[in-house]
Amino acid sequence: GENVEQHPSTLSVQEGDSAVIKCTYSDSASNYFPWYKQELGKRPQLIIDIRSNVGEKKDQRIAVTLNKTAKHFSLHITETQPEDSAVYFCAASTATGANNLFFGTGTRLTVIP
Amino acid sequence: SAVISQKPSRDICQRGTSLTIQCQVDSQVTMMFWYRQQPGQSLTLIATANQGSEATYESGFVIDKFPISRPNLTFSTLTVSNMSPEDSSIYLCSVDRGKNTEAFFGQGTRLTVV
Repeated sequence: GENVEQHPSTLSVQEGDSAVIKCTYSDSASNYFPWYKQELGKRPQLIIDIRSNVGEKKDQRIAVTLNKTAKHFSLHITETQPEDSAVYFCAASTATGANNLFFGTGTRLTVIP
Repeated sequence: SAVISQKPSRDICQRGTSLTIQCQVDSQVTMMFWYRQQPGQSLTLIATANQGSEATYESGFVIDKFPISRPNLTFSTLTVSNMSPEDSSIYLCSVDRGKNTEAFFGQGTRLTVV
């Protein structure tokens, strides 16, 4: 089955700096790569996703890049704010839809004011 | 989007007992998914539930321990059977709307086994 690795496990940045989280996956058939933000005690919320026919996608301060050859994808958050502090999970799926997700181990991001 | 309601939101159960978690979606979906999130850990897919057929379980999960029902296109249940403290986790159901959509999660059921 799919194996998704995520680094780093914890990340602390100063407010206004950028944060980068990286993931690798094992199954070349994976074609959908979402990123979720999970605040304490809450459900995961999708923040951005990318599909295998696109190399990069941006939404305001958040961007995701995908390298299918190397089987890795990354989350970039610019101009970080304290409210960005949360646990971030990457995931990969081979499904036609958006589920059947295999998650990375998570990154706890702390933005220091 | 999708509105997903899970019940119960939390429970404390005695070891050896079983708990059934309900997941209700606001509209029909083909497949429903069940995930487990152990304390401080990531999410792990337990099984996929299709209406009218047996659920498909991921490696490490079996039907006898986690029986699933899917009686119609808006509802599913997950039972955690013969519970032990190691089953203490958050259990989440999830749906999507098919191709080129996103996955939506219920609020989760926080289970503590004592």
